[in-house]
Amino acid sequence: QKEVEQDPGPLSVPEGAIVSLNCTYSNSAFQYFMWYRQYSRKGPELLMYTYSSGNKEDGRFTAQVDKSSKYISLFIRDSQPSDSATYLCAMRRMELGSNYQLIWGAGTKLIIKP
Amino acid sequence: EAGVTQSPTHLIKTRGQQATLRCSPISGHTSVYWYQQALGLGLQFLLWYDEGEERNRGNFPPRFSGRQFPNYSSELNVNALELEDSALYLCASSWDRGADTQYFGPGTRLTVL
Repeated sequence: QKEVEQDPGPLSVPEGAIVSLNCTYSNSAFQYFMWYRQYSRKGPELLMYTYSSGNKEDGRFTAQVDKSSKYISLFIRDSQPSDSATYLCAMRRMELGSNYQLIWGAGTKLIIKP
Repeated sequence: EAGVTQSPTHLIKTRGQQATLRCSPISGHTSVYWYQQALGLGLQFLLWYDEGEERNRGNFPPRFSGRQFPNYSSELNVNALELEDSALYLCASSWDRGADTQYFGPGTRLTVL
């Protein structure tokens, strides 16, 4: 079983819809959660960053963490065609040091139809 | 500010050959990370270099190796190439050791025939 599960999609929605992207994980030690966005032929870029449980909002984007269910979500309001990309979740344990590494989901391909 | 650059963009090799991939981090960044992105598998952590030292490596065989130079640029070497090594290899850099905000390059697409 993978440590982080993410539906690869594609997820196709009409412009203006609310999008929900999700990841589940198995390691309860994960404390830091990130969402990266990757456009075609580009490297990923950090979109949202959260620590432990709760919600974080940034413009049209909301990141939500439910540690009791080992489930994280990214919501996109008023979706635009420019949001079409692959969205990857990433997470890690608390400690830094030599064991530091991010564990990544497979990425969900999102298509926003005009 | 120039971003992370990687070369070459594409690389075609045959099974058993060696591949060398290069990465230049953002100016001032000391940490470099290498990832393999195979179709449907997401990013798999390969190697992390900081201040010229290998700090951590992922679950890959020893034929995946690399180094970081005094100017913080980095090189990834893959020996004895296998068909399943075909993937996009991404390099990222960060300001601090083990930072979660990583800045990625566009990647090198390696095809093994």
